[in-house]
Amino acid sequence: EPEVTQTPSHQVTQMGQEVILRCVPISNHLYFYWYRQILGQKVEFLVSFYNNEISEKSEIFDDQFSVERPDGSNFTLKIRSTKLEDSAMYFCASTRGTAKEAFFGQGTRLTVV
Amino acid sequence: AQKITQTQPGMFVQEKEAVTLDCTYDTSDPSYGLFWYKQPSSGEMIFLIYQGSYDQQNATEGRYSLNFQKARKSANLVISASQLGDSAMYFCAMRVGDTNAGKSTFGDGTTLTVKP
Repeated sequence: EPEVTQTPSHQVTQMGQEVILRCVPISNHLYFYWYRQILGQKVEFLVSFYNNEISEKSEIFDDQFSVERPDGSNFTLKIRSTKLEDSAMYFCASTRGTAKEAFFGQGTRLTVV
Repeated sequence: AQKITQTQPGMFVQEKEAVTLDCTYDTSDPSYGLFWYKQPSSGEMIFLIYQGSYDQQNATEGRYSLNFQKARKSANLVISASQLGDSAMYFCAMRVGDTNAGKSTFGDGTTLTVKP
């Protein structure tokens, strides 16, 4: 069964460092998303991406964040200069667009120290 | 703006019994989809069930069913014959619009504990 895969599963980084979280969406999907979940809290939308551009972003997704689809398979989230409050689980998701549900990856737990 | 409300931070159920997890939603868009996800302690987000706003019948997927009451704007998840492996956090979510490609808005979640 096809699935969304994310790497790494856990990343520890120093405050101020850049991190890149990687995702491989399901191959025939067209819409891609990043969500974030601070420990014990609700899942928050960050950004959606379609046709090689951002289609929607939340107020959390400020200039420190960027997304890219560098090739036909990967979808990345970059945080330019990490802050302590960026520590969270980051989920990638994808959907065909006509699909009923978004499929989520297993998440990357980012810890900023 | 869309909003999802889950009023039960925690629920307990005896193994093999049924349990209902509450979810109410708010949107002015006539076209939307409602979803339930399960998040075990390992952290991944597992899709359980979907209900479209125009669907005439309540969705069912195995032991999961969605009690959709459109007039009340509620989409409660019913888990029948609870199992120990059902212990997890459960999130209700909504996506608005015709394409189903928009962002999902999540509730705060309900932690379900199944007791042996």
